[in-house]
Amino acid sequence: DAMVIQNPRYQVTQFGKPVTLSCSQTLNHNVMYWYQQKSSQAPKLLFHYYDKDFNNEADTPDNFQSRRPNTSFCFLDIRSPGLGDAAMYLCATSPGLSYEQYFGPGTRLTVT
Amino acid sequence: QQPVQSPQAVILREGEDAVINCSSSKALYSVHWYRQKHGEAPVFLMILLKGGEQKGHDKISASFNEKKQQSSLYLTASQLSYSGTYFCGTETQGGSEKLVFGKGTKLTVNP
Repeated sequence: DAMVIQNPRYQVTQFGKPVTLSCSQTLNHNVMYWYQQKSSQAPKLLFHYYDKDFNNEADTPDNFQSRRPNTSFCFLDIRSPGLGDAAMYLCATSPGLSYEQYFGPGTRLTVT
Repeated sequence: QQPVQSPQAVILREGEDAVINCSSSKALYSVHWYRQKHGEAPVFLMILLKGGEQKGHDKISASFNEKKQQSSLYLTASQLSYSGTYFCGTETQGGSEKLVFGKGTKLTVNP
């Protein structure tokens, strides 16, 4: 089945220790998104790619970066995680402009 | 600008109906509705584009009033499986590729 896969599902990292979350898709969608979702809150868009074009949200901290080496894969790098970065990180894909988004299962990040 | 959802929470008995509202202070190009169950990813329900259309999805339907800059999600004859948090996501510019999600409405359906 075509899908959005996120690895790992659970990640524990230490304060200040870099961490990378990965997302892959078999849907061949042009657009990939990274969202941060804290408990009982709405998903908050961090950035998105349309093909190779990177779009950063104005309020996304510099601590968060992303890479999309090809259509199928997208990575979220957190350079120096703080306690406030503990959250669920959701990857989503979309066929294009103004289309539905398909979410992966998420990676729950814990910072100790 | 984050859309405003109401109510924040609603509790139903199986078979009852519910309406969830989503309103924006900006002109909307599209409204998306998603349902998220606890510990799971959001799941797409439907998308409404400007033009005032109404869509249906089994016993879940939605309307979009472009002039009032609001959308409503209608759940009829609710089932236990409808429980979850419902988010509306709004797009204020056609082709912007991104959504801003409301804070969500937690729906609980009891037997």
